[in-house]
Amino acid sequence: GENVEQHPSTLSVQEGDSAVIKCTYSDSASNYFPWYKQELGKGPQLIIDIRSNVGEKKDQRIAVTLNKTAKHFSLHITETQPEDSAVYFCAASKGNTGTASKLTFGTGTRLQVTL
Amino acid sequence: DSGVTQTPKHLITATGQRVTLRCSPRSGDLSVYWYQQSLDQGLQFLIQYYNGEERAKGNILERFSAQQFPDLHSELNLSSLELGDSALYFCASSLGQSTGGYTFGSGTRLTVV
Repeated sequence: GENVEQHPSTLSVQEGDSAVIKCTYSDSASNYFPWYKQELGKGPQLIIDIRSNVGEKKDQRIAVTLNKTAKHFSLHITETQPEDSAVYFCAASKGNTGTASKLTFGTGTRLQVTL
Repeated sequence: DSGVTQTPKHLITATGQRVTLRCSPRSGDLSVYWYQQSLDQGLQFLIQYYNGEERAKGNILERFSAQQFPDLHSELNLSSLELGDSALYFCASSLGQSTGGYTFGSGTRLTVV
């Protein structure tokens, strides 16, 4: 089955700096790659996603890049703010029309943005 | 509010007992997924239902079972509970007709004492 590795496990940056989280996946058939943010005491929340036919996607301060050949994808957060502090999870799935497909998650990155 | 409702939010029970966790998916979503998140652990996939039928199974113990009812809500039953079953249990839902991300509920925190 699919295996998703995520690095680093913890990341501390100063406010205003950029943060990068990287993930690799094992199944070349995976075609959907979402990122989730989990704040303390809450469920994971989808923040951005990318499909295999796109190399990069940006939404304000957040961007995701995908390298299908190398089977890795990354989350980039620019101009970090204290409210960006949370645990971030990457995920991958072989999405298909019809019944949907389960997501396999990475182990998470705890991001701390310090003042 | 994500639209996915999980009850109860907290549950404390003794070893050997049985509990039922409930999930109501977002309106219109046909797929329900259950995940377990232990302390400092990632999200471990347990089971998926689509429109009432089991679609995929992950690392779900034989002591655990689930079902999805005609109104699409789902229940996760955990029996013969052990201390190691203490965790956050999340339900997520998706439309199921196209690829896309899940919408997660806020979870049920289960503590086995």
